[in-house]
Amino acid sequence: EVQLVESGGGLVQPGRSMKLSCAASGFTFSDYYMAWVRQAPKKGLEWVASISYEGSSTYYGDSVKGRFTISRDNAKSTLYLQMNSLRSEDTATYYCARPQGYWGQGVMVTVSS
Amino acid sequence: DVVMTQTPVSLPVSLGGQASISCRSSQSLVHSNGNTYLHWYLQKPGQSPQLLIYRVSNRFSGVPDRFSGSGSGTDFTLKISRVEPEDLGDYYCLQSTHFPPTFGSGTKLEIK
Repeated sequence: EVQLVESGGGLVQPGRSMKLSCAASGFTFSDYYMAWVRQAPKKGLEWVASISYEGSSTYYGDSVKGRFTISRDNAKSTLYLQMNSLRSEDTATYYCARPQGYWGQGVMVTVSS
Repeated sequence: DVVMTQTPVSLPVSLGGQASISCRSSQSLVHSNGNTYLHWYLQKPGQSPQLLIYRVSNRFSGVPDRFSGSGSGTDFTLKISRVEPEDLGDYYCLQSTHFPPTFGSGTKLEIK
């Protein structure tokens, strides 16, 4: 059974950093592109970033480009999202996803002073 | 970016009835490889989105045949027949033909 379990969320002050992790199991992690998608409170879904199988190619949405970094450790079957210079508008539930069919339960990130 | 216009915003339905949700894209979703990467998701209250339909009309594993997808080019439709209480929630379309992937704004399916 495919499982994606996010961790690392919480409350953080504007301008600070936070790193999310996503532990994958139930499939060969290195065989799949992976992605992060977020959802602000009471809002719709927004794609954040994607990464290729070996991590050599990464893609970012305009709203996070230059501030967020997606990475992966295939030996640990883990996906990461390093978030720097956080803003209030980054407040959201962040989902780890194996496009298109599998999503984690999500982790909440609140950016507030 | 490709804009996905999803209608209606809210869709009251009777249990046992039929629902139809539309998604229109600002440009064709036909990829250069001939595939059309338009997908449909349901997000039940308090849950993460779950894939219902991938590439326009293919039901994902375990999805009942009450759900069907159709369309081509820029116009796509999700139909739900014999609506059940477990079908309630927010529905989203997603295009992944063009970078960046973009979602529709969502349709809330609720009981009439």
